[in-house]
Amino acid sequence: SQQGEEDPQALSIQEGENATMNCSYKTSINNLQWYRQNSGRGLVHLILIRSNEREKHSGRLRVTLDTSKKSSSLLITASRAADTASYFCATGGEETSGSRLTFGEGTQLTVNP
Amino acid sequence: GAVVSQHPSRVICKSGTSVKIECRSLDFQATTMFWYRQFPKQSLMLMATSNEGSKATYEQGVEKDKFLINHASLTLSTLTVTSAHPEDSSFYICSAREGQSNQPQHFGDGTRLSIL
Repeated sequence: SQQGEEDPQALSIQEGENATMNCSYKTSINNLQWYRQNSGRGLVHLILIRSNEREKHSGRLRVTLDTSKKSSSLLITASRAADTASYFCATGGEETSGSRLTFGEGTQLTVNP
Repeated sequence: GAVVSQHPSRVICKSGTSVKIECRSLDFQATTMFWYRQFPKQSLMLMATSNEGSKATYEQGVEKDKFLINHASLTLSTLTVTSAHPEDSSFYICSAREGQSNQPQHFGDGTRLSIL
């Protein structure tokens, strides 16, 4: 079943603005991860947040996790044109459900210079 | 650190050809490797999960005889698309993970496969 629905599907902002992307999921998770994909390339791991964590920071990135609402958000502050990419959330299931990641549909972020 | 090399980056070949794609973890030992397929402007679809030295676990709907996976060592997994047809044209991406499932996956740069 599809896990990890993201919104918005597409987001266009000006350089310097903040970008917020949201992810919702349906089942219990062990962790939630955010990845970035430049066009025609592989994915780059950004942040992993465990189910017992509520917030995590890495540079200009801030990720929150609300397990009661089964949702997560990725905030990119002071965006740059180089941040233009697709961003995916991926949920890691509990150990009993195997080691797979289930990816959301992604948000296409465009940062205009 | 945590670099995954995927080769080739692009393949164009005739229908009926078998194509092998390699995925290598360069600076870590990959306990588990994953193969994904991605259609344009869509998300990643997991095809199979492979652990070193054991048979791959395929997702529902993925033909194991069509997509042969070999994970012969802790640093190398291969995906062979056998007797490829135009409908197999896609972007194939591998990833590798060191250790337990609460560790991130590290991705290769993908292979664009075009079958004429």
